[in-house]
Amino acid sequence: DAGVTQSPTHLIKTRGQQVTLRCSPKSGHDTVSWYQQALGQGPQFIFQYYEEEERQRGNFPDRFSGHQFPNYSSELNVNALLLGDSALYLCASSLSWFDEQYFGPGTRLTVT
Amino acid sequence: GQQLNQSPQSMFIQEGEDVSMNCTSSSIFNTWLWYKQDPGEGPVLLIALYKAGELTSNGRLTAQFGITRKDSFLNISASIPSDVGIYFCAGQLGGGSNYKLTFGKGTLLTVNP
Repeated sequence: DAGVTQSPTHLIKTRGQQVTLRCSPKSGHDTVSWYQQALGQGPQFIFQYYEEEERQRGNFPDRFSGHQFPNYSSELNVNALLLGDSALYLCASSLSWFDEQYFGPGTRLTVT
Repeated sequence: GQQLNQSPQSMFIQEGEDVSMNCTSSSIFNTWLWYKQDPGEGPVLLIALYKAGELTSNGRLTAQFGITRKDSFLNISASIPSDVGIYFCAGQLGGGSNYKLTFGKGTLLTVNP
């Protein structure tokens, strides 16, 4: 049974560019949450998707947007990248929005 | 964003020793979770606690949900080298639309063989 998968593994972008990160949830899971983890910090909640709708959003600007597809996979989009957006972006899936969250390996984004 | 207060920040212990770490919050949570993260990996769920006062074990790991709902503790007994990693506590308020996880900054555990 495959766990949560994320792509790409690493990504290098330039300030001002846009980036799309992808996540496939664990089999049977219908809810996807995204977190940003800066170096030396704990993960910070960005938003959660359930039934293709954004259910809850953390304290992140509108430059961060997302999407969930009918097969429950999800994308995280970040526009107008800033140096401070450099971080490990983690996707977590759960059976439903209230269940335990299981994390993928993350995408390491570096903005230069 | 809000983060939980996790201590200690780091620990360096000898193999076979027991380890204790804790997590506190200024506000209550209805679920407490403990995760372990290895370098270059995502956090792995170790233990989930759902009830104030609950004590739950997973092998050599034991965690407790504080009676005030504002804290949680994790103990690791008889540590082994593969226990090395960063341990994170996370709180979840629940109810309505509030199922996001709020994390601590982590405790870095080093085990000397």
